[in-house]
Amino acid sequence: DIQMTQFPSTLSASVGDRVTITCRATHTINTWLAWYQQKPGKAPKLLIYKASTLESGVPLRFSGSGSGTEFTLTISSLQPDDFATYYCQQYDDGLNFGPGTKVEIK
Amino acid sequence: QVHLRESGPLMVKPSETLSLTCNVSGFSISSDYFWGWIRQPPGQGLEWIGSISHSGSTYYKPSLKGRVSVSLDTSKNQFSLKVTFVTAADTAVYYCASGDGYRTPYYFEHWGQGTLVTVSS
Repeated sequence: DIQMTQFPSTLSASVGDRVTITCRATHTINTWLAWYQQKPGKAPKLLIYKASTLESGVPLRFSGSGSGTEFTLTISSLQPDDFATYYCQQYDDGLNFGPGTKVEIK
Repeated sequence: QVHLRESGPLMVKPSETLSLTCNVSGFSISSDYFWGWIRQPPGQGLEWIGSISHSGSTYYKPSLKGRVSVSLDTSKNQFSLKVTFVTAADTAVYYCASGDGYRTPYYFEHWGQGTLVTVSS
């Protein structure tokens, strides 16, 4: 069973900051990784799949990178709408989500 | 555009079976995609439960296998989830979702709004 970890668990940032979230897998998953954004009381929203492919309609300030066991989600300039919780999800062997990273206002 | 909406009882008694249905509009579930269920206990993270392909192949989280089942009803364009012998640990917001895949499900592009199911006597 492939387990996912994310850090930090909480991140305090200001509008305009560059933000990076890291996701690690216990086994190599090539680039079979997706990222989601979830706001309170709402369903998750797909941001990125295959580690770095931006879902249609997602702002270009979001980007993903990595392969193997370590991945990052970067927001180049944090906007007010970006304060949310972010989850990674592997789909190399079954499907597992990371525990989430909450991006909060500093 | 694919729209999904969960329906089913909001409360289930311990040891009984939780049953939810996801009604799909805007796309035929027998045409393509994988159709899945994800849950989120209050204040916690996301947990994939299981998925079914448009042709009826099923995939389950190993730790839940044997207690969960996902099925398609193409005549009603909906798919369903059953979780047997529920406990308080099954209390969660349950989401249905659809997404891409090849032989196995990948990620989820479209999500329902979610429905909170509480297990309580």
